Amino acid sequence: DAGVIQSPRHEVTEMGQEVTLRCKPISGHDYLFWYRQTMMRGLELLIYFNNNVPIDDSGMPEDRFSAKMPNASFSTLKIQPSEPRDSAVYFCATQDRPSGNTIYFGEGSWLTVV
Amino acid sequence: KQEVTQIPAALSVPEGENLVLNCSFTDSAIYNLQWFRQDPGKGLTSLLLIQSSQREQTSGRLNASLDKSSGRSTLYIAASQPGDSATYLCAVVTNFGNEKLTFGTGTRLTIIP
Repeated sequence: DAGVIQSPRHEVTEMGQEVTLRCKPISGHDYLFWYRQTMMRGLELLIYFNNNVPIDDSGMPEDRFSAKMPNASFSTLKIQPSEPRDSAVYFCATQDRPSGNTIYFGEGSWLTVV
Repeated sequence: KQEVTQIPAALSVPEGENLVLNCSFTDSAIYNLQWFRQDPGKGLTSLLLIQSSQREQTSGRLNASLDKSSGRSTLYIAASQPGDSATYLCAVVTNFGNEKLTFGTGTRLTIIP
């Protein structure tokens, strides 16, 4: 398997623009997580899904952030409108719960909002 | 609210030395604890996972221990190599049924050749 695939790897956008980050999980994994990493706050869980259903979105900072998982092969994290303080690395991670608890991370989407 | 702390934030050691990285957590009622490695510009790679009922896990030159009652875990790296240079993070799952990982801020390790 190619692992967790995220796109884009890097994005620079202007404040106020919509940003969509994409994630393709490892086939068969039933959990999908979106994390954000910044120097100030470290790694924070934004939201996670189990079998495509959102389970805990308490980490989503505000209404500007939304996440969807329309099927087992795809998830998106959308920021609209984007702000400079959203600049961070956004990681998608997936897990095959019945096979154990190892979690696999993608290489991240590096977002800069200017 | 669970808080995870890693001290020191950075550590440099000569190649070949054994070393210990520390992780502490405030709520001892954890479900499991994991150690991850993060290379610059990359995602995280899971190194070891310790279930709450276990005391330690080993993989190659790595050994992780868990003392739930005191809220501590250590990652022992034997015979360090320059390729071990990375940031090491620990993370805990606090509630069974909620898969949320709470991460520490990491220790940036540099192995000096």
